[in-house]
Amino acid sequence: GEDVEQSLFLSVREGDSSVINCTYTDSSSTYLYWYKQEPGAGLQLLTYIFSNMDMKQDQRLTVLLNKKDKHLSLRIADTQTGDSAIYFCAELTWGNTPLVFGKGTRLSVIA
Amino acid sequence: DAGVIQSPRHEVTEMGQEVTLRCKPISGHNSLFWYRQTMMRGLELLIYFNNNVPIDDSGMPEDRFSAKMPNASFSTLKIQPSEPRDSAVYFCASSDPTRLGETQYFGPGTRLLVL
Repeated sequence: GEDVEQSLFLSVREGDSSVINCTYTDSSSTYLYWYKQEPGAGLQLLTYIFSNMDMKQDQRLTVLLNKKDKHLSLRIADTQTGDSAIYFCAELTWGNTPLVFGKGTRLSVIA
Repeated sequence: DAGVIQSPRHEVTEMGQEVTLRCKPISGHNSLFWYRQTMMRGLELLIYFNNNVPIDDSGMPEDRFSAKMPNASFSTLKIQPSEPRDSAVYFCASSDPTRLGETQYFGPGTRLLVL
């Protein structure tokens, strides 16, 4: 079955770049997502990338997709304390709802 | 749009009591998902509906859990009887599978504590 793996923790200094990595197993994945969960809140969609793309940039966020290695990453430039949260990677195979989520990476930003 | 609405936001109950969690999906979305989140197990999909019909309930932990979706704008997740190990945050999410990306939108969650 499908599986999505993420490292559980990441700690960075304020102003540095953060890179959160994710690997998935389903080669039929159509869309890959990054969700952010702030303390005490629900999951909020940050961005997603279609499987025929290898990069997507949105302000401080850069998503890189290596489809051959089934590797997805989220880079946050100039990380701020407000970026401290849990980041979930998820994948979707079209016509095979629902999303498959990773266990989340807890990002801690040190001032 | 108000987003996905869940109630109550917090629930404290005693073991053995019935608990009912409620969800109103985003208008026009025809898929609805119930998740449970704990520190130990992370985010687990319990059940999802498409056009009010339960499609996959294989994630429902046991017979004490049941979910209904009587119409397109309302769903409930019921635990009867509740147990301390049911303590978790329960999320409802909705999506429109006909839209590109089929993004799921999450509600704020119900924080359940069973004593």
